[in-house]
Amino acid sequence: DARVTQTPRDKVTEMGQEVTMRCQPILGHNTVFWYRQTMMQGLELLAYFRNRAPLDDSGMPKDRFSAEMPDATLATLKIQPSEPRDSAVYFCASGLVRGYLYGYTFGSGTRLTVV
Amino acid sequence: GQQVMQIPQYQHVQEGEDFTTYCNSSTTLSNIQWYKQRPGGHPVFLIQLVKSGEVKKQKRLTFQFGEAKKNSSLHITATQTTDVGTYFCAGGWGGYQKVTFGTGTKLQVIP
Repeated sequence: DARVTQTPRDKVTEMGQEVTMRCQPILGHNTVFWYRQTMMQGLELLAYFRNRAPLDDSGMPKDRFSAEMPDATLATLKIQPSEPRDSAVYFCASGLVRGYLYGYTFGSGTRLTVV
Repeated sequence: GQQVMQIPQYQHVQEGEDFTTYCNSSTTLSNIQWYKQRPGGHPVFLIQLVKSGEVKKQKRLTFQFGEAKKNSSLHITATQTTDVGTYFCAGGWGGYQKVTFGTGTKLQVIP
C-alpha cells in the first residue's frame, strides 16, 4: 500500500530551538496538507499545497511557522523558534484533486515536545 | 469560520451494541468525509459522501448524508472491540478542495 512518510517520528527539543518536520507524500498525489492535533484543539489545518504551490496557510502562526514544498517528493514544516505551546502531533496528509478531492492519506505523524 | 459539530464526544458501549455518531454544519456542505483514528495512530479515510440523501455501507458501518447536506451520521451495527477509536467527520464547502474536521467521537467498546 502507498503511504505518506513523515520524519522524525518523535522530537523533543528545548524552547527556542528550530524544528524541521519532513513529509514524503504519495507519488501522484497533487495536494499536501499539514495538520496539528492536540487534545484541546483537535485537528487543525495549518497549511496546504496544490502542485507544490501554497494555497492556504491561514491556520499557521506566520511569525514562527513556515511550510514549503521544495519538490514534489518533499514537504517541510519548520518552527523557529519553538515554544512549549507548539507541543502536539503534526500530521502530513496527501490527496489527489482531480475535479474534486478524494480522501486524504495521513502519515504516522511527528510527536513534538517542546520543553 | 466554517465548522462541523460532532456529537457525542465520548461513547461507551457493550460489545454487540450499536453505535451512532452525528455531524452537523450550520451551512450546506459540498461533501463530507469520515475518518477513524485508533489510539496512538493516525486518521484513516473511511468514505466520502457527496450527494444529498446518500447512504453508503461498509460491512457493519452505514454512512448517511442528510437531504439538506447539513448533517451526516455514521452508524456501526453490533460493535466489536476492533471498532475502538475516534471517529471524525470532515466537511467541505464549495469545490471539494479541503475539509474541516469535526471534534471527533471517541468510542470505547466494553468486552
